[in-house]
Amino acid sequence: DQQVKQNSPSLSVQEGRISILNCDYTNSMFDYFLWYKKYPAEGPTFLISISSIKDKNEDGRFTVFLNKSAKHLSLHIVPSQPGDSAVYFCAAGGGANNLFFGTGTRLTVIP
Amino acid sequence: DAGVTQSPTHLIKTRGQQVTLRCSPISGHKSVSWYQQVLGQGPQFIFQYYEKEERGRGNFPDRFSARQFPNYSSELNVNALLLGDSALYLCASSASGGSNYGYTFGSGTRLTVV
Repeated sequence: DQQVKQNSPSLSVQEGRISILNCDYTNSMFDYFLWYKKYPAEGPTFLISISSIKDKNEDGRFTVFLNKSAKHLSLHIVPSQPGDSAVYFCAAGGGANNLFFGTGTRLTVIP
Repeated sequence: DAGVTQSPTHLIKTRGQQVTLRCSPISGHKSVSWYQQVLGQGPQFIFQYYEKEERGRGNFPDRFSARQFPNYSSELNVNALLLGDSALYLCASSASGGSNYGYTFGSGTRLTVV
């Protein structure tokens, strides 16, 4: 049972434009959410997180939005750069000390 | 500063064999977690160890076992390998037992079972 879902396996965006990556979850007990970026042959790298008590968290070009009523979060990257091309994983946790990951979205930023 | 180091980076094993994967956490980190990432899927939680004690176990069969040593390094063992065990095995470390501060992942061990 996939508790965290990323329904878009891939996304292509022009350099300088906004990239929006989406994630849905089913477990209302999750109380924090994270985004990881993964390049080939490397482990996932932590990008940004948000607690369930917030609806927005911003870090430079990266902003995560949380809509608890819809059980939906999104990652906005503005402006997108070619170096942002990677697989992005959404993850959620709560209570237990482990994370549930989505299946990932491959972002390609076209120069 | 060294990050999370995993060895070996690649491994090929035959069905039925046993394998041991190793992980050294970031210096000062006392928690190590293991995840399995099958091609096309996200990482799935296998184990977490904190201060040498098992803190969590995912939905994996008993063929999977792990331990943490006094220096906080960890080993993941898989017995009676199946073709479906072929995956990228990721180790992650964190300073505390909770994962909400963001793990630091290693580059993983790519296991191929033939």
